[in-house]
Amino acid sequence: QVQLVESGGGVVQPGRSLRLSCAASGFTFSSYGMHWVRQAPGKGLEWVAVIWYDGSNKYYADSVKGRFTISRDNSKNTLYLQMNSLRAEDTAVYYCARDGVVGATTRNNWFDPWGQGTLVTVSS
Amino acid sequence: QSVLTQPPSVSGAPGQRVTISCTGSSSNIGAGYDVHWYQQLPGTAPKLLIYGNNNRPSGVPDRFSGSKSGTSASLAITGLQAEDEADYYCQSYDSSLYVWVFGGGTKLTVL
Repeated sequence: QVQLVESGGGVVQPGRSLRLSCAASGFTFSSYGMHWVRQAPGKGLEWVAVIWYDGSNKYYADSVKGRFTISRDNSKNTLYLQMNSLRAEDTAVYYCARDGVVGATTRNNWFDPWGQGTLVTVSS
Repeated sequence: QSVLTQPPSVSGAPGQRVTISCTGSSSNIGAGYDVHWYQQLPGTAPKLLIYGNNNRPSGVPDRFSGSKSGTSASLAITGLQAEDEADYYCQSYDSSLYVWVFGGGTKLTVL
């Protein structure tokens, strides 16, 4: 079955770095765009970043632009999120999510499925 | 402040019908972008409920339906059941922000 499993979360001090991973299985990973979406404790969902199925395009939310980098290794069926210069407001559960349709990501895209999420806590 | 506006909470008795609204603007829903809906049960990841305004993925009961008109969209749930108690989020794309956007979420309580 289609499955996404995030890892790499934890407690980190402000200004430090962390790298999240998302292992995909049950589908042709290299054919789908992938996203990171986060949810601060008790808050709603916030889209963070997207990477095209072939890695050719990457886009970010303004709140993370210049600090976070999304990447993928299609040979390992794995998505990454490198997070640098972390701030307290980055504290959240980070979910990876797949594009709803195969091929190029479109603006009408939806997210399905989602991983179980990994908690990142930025605190001194 | 979310780009898409949802009521913070709605409630209904078992068997009743409830609707959840999602209000946007001319740069997202009003621009013609599709609206999608997710259900997040307590302590779990979001799950796709409706895609492309009014399409249900396989496995989603036909008690759930979506609609869109102008700058707004709605999720309707009929025959309310206890297991429907969850947070519901709408999602679309915003062409002025160049990002995918979510509503603030609506907590559904089954009385």
